[in-house]
Amino acid sequence: DAGVIQSPRHEVTEMGQEVTLRCKPISGHDYLFWYRQTMMRGLELLIYFNNNVPIDDSGMPEDRFSAKMPNASFSTLKIQPSEPRDSAVYFCASSLTLAGVRNEQFFGPGTRLTVL
Amino acid sequence: QKEVEQDPGPLSVPEGAIVSLNCTYSNSAFQYFMWYRQYSRKGPELLMYTYSSGNKEDGRFTAQVDKSSKYISLFIRDSQPSDSATYLCAMSADTGNQFYFGTGTSLTVIP
Repeated sequence: DAGVIQSPRHEVTEMGQEVTLRCKPISGHDYLFWYRQTMMRGLELLIYFNNNVPIDDSGMPEDRFSAKMPNASFSTLKIQPSEPRDSAVYFCASSLTLAGVRNEQFFGPGTRLTVL
Repeated sequence: QKEVEQDPGPLSVPEGAIVSLNCTYSNSAFQYFMWYRQYSRKGPELLMYTYSSGNKEDGRFTAQVDKSSKYISLFIRDSQPSDSATYLCAMSADTGNQFYFGTGTSLTVIP
């Protein structure tokens, strides 16, 4: 298995532009998570899905952020309009939940976003 | 107050030293405790996983959980340069699938 796949790996954009980050979870996993990592705040959960349905989006910082999961093998995180303070590394992770067991989250390589 | 507190370091030790990494937490509902290792410009990878209190050993790594003190530790024996990475603690309650991560401790093992 190729693991969690994220694209692009690097994104540099100007303030005000729309940014779309993409994620392909591990096949068969039923949970998908979007995180943001910065030096100051560490790894923050933005939103997570179970069976393609958003379960908790309380970590999404503002209405400028939106996430979708149209099917089990694809998710997007969109920022519109982007701002310099959105600069961070964005990780996607997936996991397979078995009854009564808290399972490992497998992380993708991340997308390093720079907003100028 | 953050759910999980972790000293960011950085921590620098000579090869062969014993390393101790720690996290404290405030939510008594946490039952699952994990340590992730993150190499530079990579995603975090699960290193150790413990349920409830007690110790767990895996090779040179030992994870300890003290729920009465809301304190968890990761010990690395005979540290190697390849252990140089950022170590993040993570915790979860019985209900829900959300993990709460510490900010990570940056470790450098000097040959």
